[in-house]
Amino acid sequence: DVKVTQSSRYLVKRTGEKVFLECVQDMDHENMFWYRQDPGLGLRLIYFSYDVKMKEKGDIPEGYSVSREKKERFSLILESASTNQTSMYLCASSLHSGTGSHQYFGPGTRLTVT
Amino acid sequence: LAKTTQPISMDSYEGQEVNITCSHNNIATNDYITWYQQFPSQGPRFIIQGYKTKVTNEVASLFIPADRKSSTLSLPRVSLSDTAVYYCLVGGLSGGYNKLIFGAGTRLAVHP
Repeated sequence: DVKVTQSSRYLVKRTGEKVFLECVQDMDHENMFWYRQDPGLGLRLIYFSYDVKMKEKGDIPEGYSVSREKKERFSLILESASTNQTSMYLCASSLHSGTGSHQYFGPGTRLTVT
Repeated sequence: LAKTTQPISMDSYEGQEVNITCSHNNIATNDYITWYQQFPSQGPRFIIQGYKTKVTNEVASLFIPADRKSSTLSLPRVSLSDTAVYYCLVGGLSGGYNKLIFGAGTRLAVHP
């Protein structure tokens, strides 16, 4: 079974802090994704990575950066956390970019910025 | 990217068959249709995926008509544990990567 793990289930940070969210997948997947999920807005893609050190902006990249130094690990960085970044953050991975490849999600990190 | 429309919520009772229909009028030739299930405080979980006609696995069936402008997820004999949000997505290669757009989903409530 594919396993996607996220470093924390719950996180509370203060405004202005630098925040690191880590995601690890154990199935040698090429692609990794970071989403945020907010009530009424569904899941929105923040960043995507299709290979080590490669990244693409998603729909809402502002205020975020990412790092992928190893194939199995994809980090989301909030350079200076703000209250409007309070959300559920979901990491996902998929085997490849071909049509038909679906995503496997981690359990999520609920981040609160005060 | 094709936009999807599905009911906001549905109610059912244990043991009944539930059909959730999703419309996707602008589906592209290379788009697959994928359904995910999400429980509270968890990430979405893949249920089933198809391209045309009918696909069945151990948990659900997916019916896709010839024009592919809609699809129906069928859950046979639901139980209380099927209470969740169900997302219909269409997508495939877009901008060189596998991009999916999650809408608000359908909130299914199964009652005893």
